[in-house]
Amino acid sequence: DSGVTQTPKHLITATGQRVTLRCSPRSGDLSVYWYQQSLDQGLQFLIQYYNGEERAKGNILERFSAQQFPDLHSELNLSSLELGDSALYFCASASGAGRGTEAFFGQGTRLTVV
Amino acid sequence: AQSVTQLGSHVSVSEGALVLLRCNYSSSVPPYLFWYVQYPNQGLQLLLKYTTGATLVKGINGFEAEFKKSETSFHLTKPSAHMSDAAEYFCAVTFYGNNRLAFGKGNQVVVIP
Repeated sequence: DSGVTQTPKHLITATGQRVTLRCSPRSGDLSVYWYQQSLDQGLQFLIQYYNGEERAKGNILERFSAQQFPDLHSELNLSSLELGDSALYFCASASGAGRGTEAFFGQGTRLTVV
Repeated sequence: AQSVTQLGSHVSVSEGALVLLRCNYSSSVPPYLFWYVQYPNQGLQLLLKYTTGATLVKGINGFEAEFKKSETSFHLTKPSAHMSDAAEYFCAVTFYGNNRLAFGKGNQVVVIP
């Protein structure tokens, strides 16, 4: 158990809908990262937050947004969903924001868009 | 362009044989390097990492990797495969100037009894 909790574990929704994925980082970790894992694209970095502030942005679509709350949990919002958004979404947390800091991954949320 | 490459999506190895997974990177400045393992229906778990110092790094579960700057490589090895090593393995890097992990495509390791 990495100590990172993601909910829900599975989500099935229809095209055009909006969903929210939740991540609770390990106790004391200030950084939260979101990644998308799909068969064709592999593991792609989406966005990073550090202590409530957006720190880095990757290949995140405009239909997607995220935030980190004062209690350090984070949410990833996906809207106007398309079939191609079906993927495994991982959250990872780290104690700092340095590039050598170990990131601990949650078990992921598997999103299926039908 | 900066990139990380893992060749051969599926790797079959006999139980007791050497496990060798290759990882190469492209970058003018050596990145920090990581190997992660993903078991079915699980998140990613760090096996080992190289940032600075000794180039031979030992990790969990008997795995080790060696950073070779001249070859821009960070190959993962384990002398003797166990059935429990069946999983997907990802090489990842953080390039100079940012702290996001960039992942290779992964190697699905199958251990044959």
